[in-house]
Amino acid sequence: QKEVEQNSGPLSVPEGAIASLNCTYSDRGSQSFFWYRQYSGKSPELIMFIYSNGDKEDGRFTAQLNKASQYVSLLIRDSQPSDSATYLCAVDVWDNNDMRFGAGTRLTVKP
Amino acid sequence: EAQVTQNPRYLITVTGKKLTVTCSQNMNHEYMSWYRQDPGLGLRQIYYSMNVEVTDKGDVPEGYKVSRKEKRNFPLILESPSPNQTSLYFCASSTQGTGGSGANVLTFGAGSRLTVL
Repeated sequence: QKEVEQNSGPLSVPEGAIASLNCTYSDRGSQSFFWYRQYSGKSPELIMFIYSNGDKEDGRFTAQLNKASQYVSLLIRDSQPSDSATYLCAVDVWDNNDMRFGAGTRLTVKP
Repeated sequence: EAQVTQNPRYLITVTGKKLTVTCSQNMNHEYMSWYRQDPGLGLRQIYYSMNVEVTDKGDVPEGYKVSRKEKRNFPLILESPSPNQTSLYFCASSTQGTGGSGANVLTFGAGSRLTVL
């Protein structure tokens, strides 16, 4: 079992819809959870991080964490074509920079 | 501008010819790390460094070396490159975060695409 698993996609949504990206992790010691966005040929850039159970909102993005289910998700509201990218879930296992990445989910937002 | 700078951005080399990919950050970050990214495998950590003169292996260290003589620099050395090291490489840095602070947010360099023939 991979430590951090994501559906590779591609996930396709129409413009204006909600895109839902999911991530599961195996290590119950995991403390901090990150979502990075990576455009084709570019480096990953942080969207947001979360470390408490529940929801965290930042503009059109909402991260949701459920430690009991070992599940973290990212919702993108009012999806735009510019949101088309690969989204990487990352887990800092012991909160000591032991960062584990999922393989990423490719999202396409169609105009 | 706060950034992580990698060089070269693109390199084609031949098997066995030693090469170094440089990485430098101007944010006074303690932590630096190297990742390789391959299709379907995501980012895999090669080596990381918690501070000057402190380095440790990541998940895929075979065939690579690193050094951390100065806080800002963390070069990746391929002593004898092989075709299976053809990949996209990222250097990243962060502060030392603890306790769910999220301070260990990684800042990535632009990437170095390496091809070994």
